[in-house]
Amino acid sequence: DAGVIQSPRHEVTEMGQEVTLRCKPISGHNSLFWYRQTMMRGLELLIYFNNNVPIDDSGMPEDRFSAKMPNASFSTLKIQPSEPRDSAVYFCASIPRASGNRDTQYFGPGTRLTVL
Amino acid sequence: GEDVEQSLFLSVREGDSSVINCTYTDSSSTYLYWYKQEPGAGLQLLTYIFSNMDMKQDQRLTVLLNKKDKHLSLRIADTQTGDSAIYFCAERWSGYSTLTFGKGTMLLVSP
Repeated sequence: DAGVIQSPRHEVTEMGQEVTLRCKPISGHNSLFWYRQTMMRGLELLIYFNNNVPIDDSGMPEDRFSAKMPNASFSTLKIQPSEPRDSAVYFCASIPRASGNRDTQYFGPGTRLTVL
Repeated sequence: GEDVEQSLFLSVREGDSSVINCTYTDSSSTYLYWYKQEPGAGLQLLTYIFSNMDMKQDQRLTVLLNKKDKHLSLRIADTQTGDSAIYFCAERWSGYSTLTFGKGTMLLVSP
């Protein structure tokens, strides 16, 4: 099993540019989570999907952020326009279908975003 | 408190035991987790404990849960330099799928 795959691993962009982060969950997993990690705020949940449907997006910081999950094997997190304060590591995680109450989250390696 | 809280830093010598502490927020939390993050990597689940348990042991790892005080600890026996990482505790509230994470404890193991 390849695990959760995220791309790109590193992204450097200029303020005002559009940024798209991608995630492929583990095959058979039916819940997907996007997190942002910074030194100041730690690990924050941005949004999560269940069966491709957004369930809770209350963590999305503002309208510049949007996330989609067009199918069970792919999700994107888009920032438009990007700002320097969006610089962080963005993680994607997924949960297996019928995992029972454990709901163990499997994390991808993250995308390190730097906005200049 | 409102947050899952952890001490920020712990330094031990190789071969010693490490104890990382965490206080969580909700006494009805059903599962509590410990994750490990190595530099440049994602979070790796180490172990978890169900809220009706007091202790769980898994090889060198021992998790202790004190529900009354909402206190969770992770003990690593015979700590190795490869255990150097950031350790996160997380709770899952009853009825929710999401996790609430602490800010992480950086464990530094010196030879």
